[in-house]
Amino acid sequence: NAGVMQNPRHLVRRRGQEARLRCSPMKGHSHVYWYRQLPEEGLKFMVYLQKENIIDESGMPKERFSAEFPKEGPSILRIQQVVRGDSAAYFCASSLGQKNTGELFFGEGSRLTVL
Amino acid sequence: AQRVTQPEKLLSVFKGAPVELKCNYSYSGSPELFWYVQYSRQRLQLLLRHISRESIKGFTADLNKGETSFHLKKPFAQEEDSAMYYCALSNQAGTALIFGKGTTLSVSS
Repeated sequence: NAGVMQNPRHLVRRRGQEARLRCSPMKGHSHVYWYRQLPEEGLKFMVYLQKENIIDESGMPKERFSAEFPKEGPSILRIQQVVRGDSAAYFCASSLGQKNTGELFFGEGSRLTVL
Repeated sequence: AQRVTQPEKLLSVFKGAPVELKCNYSYSGSPELFWYVQYSRQRLQLLLRHISRESIKGFTADLNKGETSFHLKKPFAQEEDSAMYYCALSNQAGTALIFGKGTTLSVSS
């Protein structure tokens, strides 16, 4: 089992461009979580998704950020019109189910740099 | 408000010394708490959870509701314990983990 796969590992964007980060959960997992880590900060929850459903997006900024987890394919975190403050490491995690929310399996993260 | 506080950014100890990584939380009701660990060049992974009352790699953590703490302890540190440790709390909705800022543990010989 390859574990949670995230790509790209590193992404550089200029202000105003779009960033798309992908996450494939562990085999058999249908629950995906996105977290953001800013420099000198801990992991901040962004969004929790099941296949074709957003369960909790309370941590998502109201504008420019969106996430999806389609029936087929990876989960995608999309950031439109990026700004310098979006520079961070974005981590994806997966779990077997909602009652396993505490037992998360993390990817290696995608590091976004906005110039 | 639900919050996790790890007051120490860095903890340095010698091999064989006892280790205590501090974690305090703020939560209404019965919390569900976890410790996660990230070794150098590895992914963040679950170390232990309070409901299991388990000992993993010699580490234990006891939930103290009176002091709202969930400190991680090990009686004799090993060099391979050097890593970043995060305390985490399940949110009220049970949909996400709230992480502390983490403590870097450095064990030297």
